[in-house]
Amino acid sequence: EDQVTQSPEALRLQEGESSSLNCSYTVSGLRGLFWYRQDPGKGPEFLFTLYSAGEEKEKERLKATLTKKESFLHITAPKPEDSATYLCAVQSWSGANSKLTFGKGITLSVRP
Amino acid sequence: NAGVTQTPKFRILKIGQSMTLQCTQDMNHNYMYWYRQDPGMGLKLIYYSVGAGITDKGEVPNGYNVSRSTTEDFPLRLELAAPSQTSVYFCASRMNTEAFFGQGTRLTVV
Repeated sequence: EDQVTQSPEALRLQEGESSSLNCSYTVSGLRGLFWYRQDPGKGPEFLFTLYSAGEEKEKERLKATLTKKESFLHITAPKPEDSATYLCAVQSWSGANSKLTFGKGITLSVRP
Repeated sequence: NAGVTQTPKFRILKIGQSMTLQCTQDMNHNYMYWYRQDPGMGLKLIYYSVGAGITDKGEVPNGYNVSRSTTEDFPLRLELAAPSQTSVYFCASRMNTEAFFGQGTRLTVV
């Protein structure tokens, strides 16, 4: 069974204070790892897809990286508008490979 | 382009009542999903579909039913509402990689 664990559960940063969010996963064969952002009262919004170890993707202040066991979402010089819950999900090659398994999410608060 | 549309946005049900949560996508995506999200618990998969006429159970299917008669629509049916079904429900669709989510339906069962 695919499993996704995200840490920490919550993170409070000062504006400009860089940090990283962790997503550890267990799958029989990784087809893709996804990062989403969710604002309160809204549906998750797609950020990145990573497919293989060593891959990196960037978007504004966010950079996602992938190893064989975990992914990191690095936030450089965050701003208050980066405050949100960040969700990680995996899709595996085995079994019903159309399923996405999500972690519980990391709630990020950025203070001005 | 509307994307994924869910209705209603909010609903209060009494125990034992039934209702259908509607989900429509206009992107011609094959895959569609229903998730529920409870505080601190992340997204749990209820049912999913890989195409019209094909559905399968996810992690938490008990108390729910789905159908997929067209590519666009994937309604979720609650037959006998229970307080444990109080949650926020999200519908999503996907073609190859990224999944697109609706804005959610907040359901309270009292």
